[in-house]
Amino acid sequence: SYELSQARSVSVALGQTARILCGGDNIGTKNVHWYQQKPGRAPMLVMYSDSNRPSGVPERFSGSNSGNTATLTISRVQDEDEADYSCQVWASPTAIFFGGGTQLTVL
Amino acid sequence: QVQLQESGPGLVPPSETLSLTCTVSGDSIRSSDHYWAWVRQAPGKGLEYIGSVYFGGNTYYSPALKSRVSASVDTSKNQVSLELKSVTAADTAVYYCAAFLSGPYYFDYWGQGILVSVSS
Repeated sequence: SYELSQARSVSVALGQTARILCGGDNIGTKNVHWYQQKPGRAPMLVMYSDSNRPSGVPERFSGSNSGNTATLTISRVQDEDEADYSCQVWASPTAIFFGGGTQLTVL
Repeated sequence: QVQLQESGPGLVPPSETLSLTCTVSGDSIRSSDHYWAWVRQAPGKGLEYIGSVYFGGNTYYSPALKSRVSASVDTSKNQVSLELKSVTAADTAVYYCAAFLSGPYYFDYWGQGILVSVSS
């Protein structure tokens, strides 16, 4: 098993920068993926392999991964960014792990 | 554009078997490079990987659920199925059908999800 830890919630003022952390033992050696999930909706991939944005995801979204922490950074936060964000790593086809999710609130 | 659609009963009695189907459109399971997976989310909780199946027949299950879960593909219907045996209230969740590619192993396609409640 592999534990991924995330803060339950993060709040940020409109237009400021949000940093959502995902902690794991030597997570810097793994590829980390991030999903955005809005209420009643399926997760949507917003970052893959640490720092790659899928087509259609705003450039305001960026990612990094080093040591024991992966970070999803959202610059110039907008109202539509309010959502739950979950990190994910793959260890094997039987071992895919998700963090508990961080609720981003835009003030 | 690949689309996934889950279907199945929304209510399952305790100790029974939960059975769900995922219909895939926009891609052929037979020729796809994707693994077809199931992920669930209990109310107020995080995402949990259940398992996945590849067209070739290989199946991969989370150790936590391996003793109770079975996944399969029906290429004639382009569908993926999930069975979870001996369910309890702890299995109440939104069940998502999802797909990932070998290599990067991120989920690039998701179904809308189906809420399954375990209750008598």
